[in-house]
Amino acid sequence: AQKVTQAQTEISVVEKEDVTLDCVYETRDTTYYLFWYKQPPSGELVFLIRRNSFDEQNEISGRYSWNFQKSTSSFNFTITASQVVDSAVYFCALSEAWAGNNRKLIWGLGTSLAVNP
Amino acid sequence: AAGVIQSPRHLIKEKRETATLKCYPIPRHDTVYWYQQGPGQDPQFLISFYEKMQSDKGSIPDRFSAQQFSDYHSELNMSSLELGDSALYFCASSLGRSDTQYFGPGTRLTVL
Repeated sequence: AQKVTQAQTEISVVEKEDVTLDCVYETRDTTYYLFWYKQPPSGELVFLIRRNSFDEQNEISGRYSWNFQKSTSSFNFTITASQVVDSAVYFCALSEAWAGNNRKLIWGLGTSLAVNP
Repeated sequence: AAGVIQSPRHLIKEKRETATLKCYPIPRHDTVYWYQQGPGQDPQFLISFYEKMQSDKGSIPDRFSAQQFSDYHSELNMSSLELGDSALYFCASSLGRSDTQYFGPGTRLTVL
């Protein structure tokens, strides 16, 4: 069965600290996609990154970086020099290639990040 | 770039009333997904459409129905509303089967 676990329910940091959000997934498929979405207090879901299972290269985008390790089934997200605007709920999600025409997302429960001034 | 459009953004209904939520996908996107998100919860998949055909069904109550029209927009129809239907309803669209799902701003439904 597919499952995404975000063990950290809430994290609170002070501005400019680095913070890592953990994501561990379970799937029997060899081909799958992993995602991170951000949900700020305004409520919308903002796409951050997609990674397919064959691409284990780490990714950096500005202050954001992602570490994908198939050996540990983890896809962790690090924010460097956090800012107040980073305060949001962050969701990790999984979709599987066998799903055919649909790619429903399997979500983690989210990590609520509070960045304090 | 054009995004997913959802209307209305906010909706207040009484118990047992009906509601219709609309979703306009990103131009050229052929797949639409509906999700329901309760307070403090992760989004729950309801239903999806690919090329105007239902492609998958999740935890959608029998009181709800949805369809995708010839112009690819989609509507979620909700009848006999219950207090527990109060939630944020998201529509997402993607291009083809393996593309990223991009979400609309959501419709916040409140059932009184």
